[in-house]
Amino acid sequence: GQQVMQIPQYQHVQEGEDFTTYCNSSTTLSNIQWYKQRPGGHPVFLIQLVKSGEVKKQKRLTFQFGEAKKNSSLHITATQTTDVGTYFCAGRSNYGQNFVFGPGTRLSVLP
Amino acid sequence: GAGVSQTPSNKVTEKGKYVELRCDPISGHTALYWYRQSLGQGPEFLIYFQGTGAADDSGLPNDRFFAVRPEGSVSTLKIQRTERGDSAVYLCASSFGGANYEQFFGPGTRLTVL
Repeated sequence: GQQVMQIPQYQHVQEGEDFTTYCNSSTTLSNIQWYKQRPGGHPVFLIQLVKSGEVKKQKRLTFQFGEAKKNSSLHITATQTTDVGTYFCAGRSNYGQNFVFGPGTRLSVLP
Repeated sequence: GAGVSQTPSNKVTEKGKYVELRCDPISGHTALYWYRQSLGQGPEFLIYFQGTGAADDSGLPNDRFFAVRPEGSVSTLKIQRTERGDSAVYLCASSFGGANYEQFFGPGTRLTVL
């Protein structure tokens, strides 16, 4: 079945440094969503990407969808302590209605 | 406005018992998802409803798990003969339409099977 991987598993950065997490799917995706989960909280939607090669920005966050629609990335510029949490990608294949979540990248930001 | 709510927030049960977990989606949302999340893992898909019907139940691990959404709003996840391996946080999410819409997650029910 469809598998979604994310790297790195953990990332520790100093406040102000940049951060990137990568998401790879074993199958071509119809669309991909990104979520953030704070410690003790539930996943909160960040963005959805649909088109091949799509790039979307939200303030300091930049999301990319690969040309082959099998990979995606999230880049955070100049991290802040409020960015702490686990970032998940969730991909939907062309053949299903369900989303497969990656294992997440846990970001720690040291002040 | 009200978000997705789930009850109970915590449930402790003994191995072999039956449990029901409830999800109240955002009003007007036709799609409803159930996931379970173990510590340090991403949410694992269980079942997806579009309206009253289960559009995709491929994630239910075995026939001990069953979910209903009889009126297209509230959903109940039912687990029979619980096992220790069923311990996890069970998350419910709803969305306005189908799979091209953002999912709004509830706070989850933490199930512990002793």
